[in-house]
Amino acid sequence: DVKVTQSSRYLVKRTGEKVFLECVQDMDHENMFWYRQDPGLGLRLIYFSYDVKMKEKGDIPEGYSVSREKKERFSLILESASTNQTSMYLCASSFREGRNEQYFGPGTRLTVT
Amino acid sequence: GQNIDQPTEMTATEGAIVQINCTYQTSGFNGLFWYQQHAGEAPTFLSYNVLDGLEEKGRFSSFLSRSKGYSYLLLKELQMKDSASYLCAVRDQASGGSYIPTFGRGTSLIVHP
Repeated sequence: DVKVTQSSRYLVKRTGEKVFLECVQDMDHENMFWYRQDPGLGLRLIYFSYDVKMKEKGDIPEGYSVSREKKERFSLILESASTNQTSMYLCASSFREGRNEQYFGPGTRLTVT
Repeated sequence: GQNIDQPTEMTATEGAIVQINCTYQTSGFNGLFWYQQHAGEAPTFLSYNVLDGLEEKGRFSSFLSRSKGYSYLLLKELQMKDSASYLCAVRDQASGGSYIPTFGRGTSLIVHP
């Protein structure tokens, strides 16, 4: 059974803090993704990675960076959190080939005050 | 880029049939996914279409017409637990040879007794 886990379900941070969100998958997936989900806007891709140390910008990368040092782990970093980054953050993973449907983690509800 | 359109909200009665439509415009189509997302939970994979036609899986079916840029998800014998958001995602090729999906904003389905 595929499992994608995220480091926190709920997180409250102050404006200007550096924030780390971690995601771990146990299915040996090549691809990993970070999305944010906001009411009325759906799932928007922040960054994705198709291999260790490889990363590509998604649709809304500004204010975020990522790190993938190991295949199973993909981290999202908010260098200086701002209130407009309050959101639900979802991590996902998939195989690179074939049908490659995505498996999602439970999400992290981040509030920046 | 991609443009994916689906209705924001639909309501239906328990036991009925409902069809959720998704239209898309994309430069390089390579498959369409449907995901289900219950409130407060992560999206889960429902179906995948890459060729024209209907794919049936129990009470759920998904249809694709590539020439029309159109898909629908059909839910039969609706149950209260089918109340959820349904996400259409269209896949095309991105960097590194990986196929990356773009999500529509989702359709919130409310099933009432």
